Amino acid sequence: AQSVTQLDSHVSVSEGTPVLLRCNYSSSYSPSLFWYVQHPNKGLQLLLKYTSAATLVKGINGFEAEFKKSETSFHLTKPSAHMSDAAEYFCVVTLWNTGFQKLVFGTGTRLLVSP
Amino acid sequence: NAGVTQTPKFQVLKTGQSMTLQCAQDMNHNSMYWYRQDPGMGLRLIYYSASEGTTDKGEVPNGYNVSRLNKREFSLRLESAAPSQTSVYFCASSGGWGSGANVLTFGAGSRLTVL
Repeated sequence: AQSVTQLDSHVSVSEGTPVLLRCNYSSSYSPSLFWYVQHPNKGLQLLLKYTSAATLVKGINGFEAEFKKSETSFHLTKPSAHMSDAAEYFCVVTLWNTGFQKLVFGTGTRLLVSP
Repeated sequence: NAGVTQTPKFQVLKTGQSMTLQCAQDMNHNSMYWYRQDPGMGLRLIYYSASEGTTDKGEVPNGYNVSRLNKREFSLRLESAAPSQTSVYFCASSGGWGSGANVLTFGAGSRLTVL
């Protein structure tokens, strides 16, 4: 079965320091993987996606993620945090069901950024 | 602006009351989804519609019904609301195929409280 695990429920960083949000997945086939961001009281927005092309994926707002098949990981990184990055981040894996792909969400990581 | 529109944004119900959450998208997307978001549990799929005229159960369909009224609209109905249905509900849509497949566009959410 396909699933996704976000290893940290909360991550705290200082502005200007690197960000690392961890995600591990399990899948019986080559998955598509995504990161979505949710700012307070807002809907979710796509940050980036991996669909079996380049293993290093660049997204919006300076975020990137690397697909590592040997480690079944898809960690999200950013070199330098900004106050506006404070939000909740969701790692997502695809799930096939009768020829239609559905998305399975992780439980989320809340990123806190202090001045 | 193009996107996904959900109504209402907030609703308070008493146990046993019924209500319908409305969702409309203007991006000509084939697929539409209803998710619920609860603290510490990420987003869980309630129902989805792969294309106009079809609907299928997701992870947590009990207590809900859906109608894909046309290609644009996908409604979620609670026939007899229960406190366990207190949640934030998100509607989403996707192109379904090709480069847009599985990239979800989300509405802003509907916060439902059942007393």
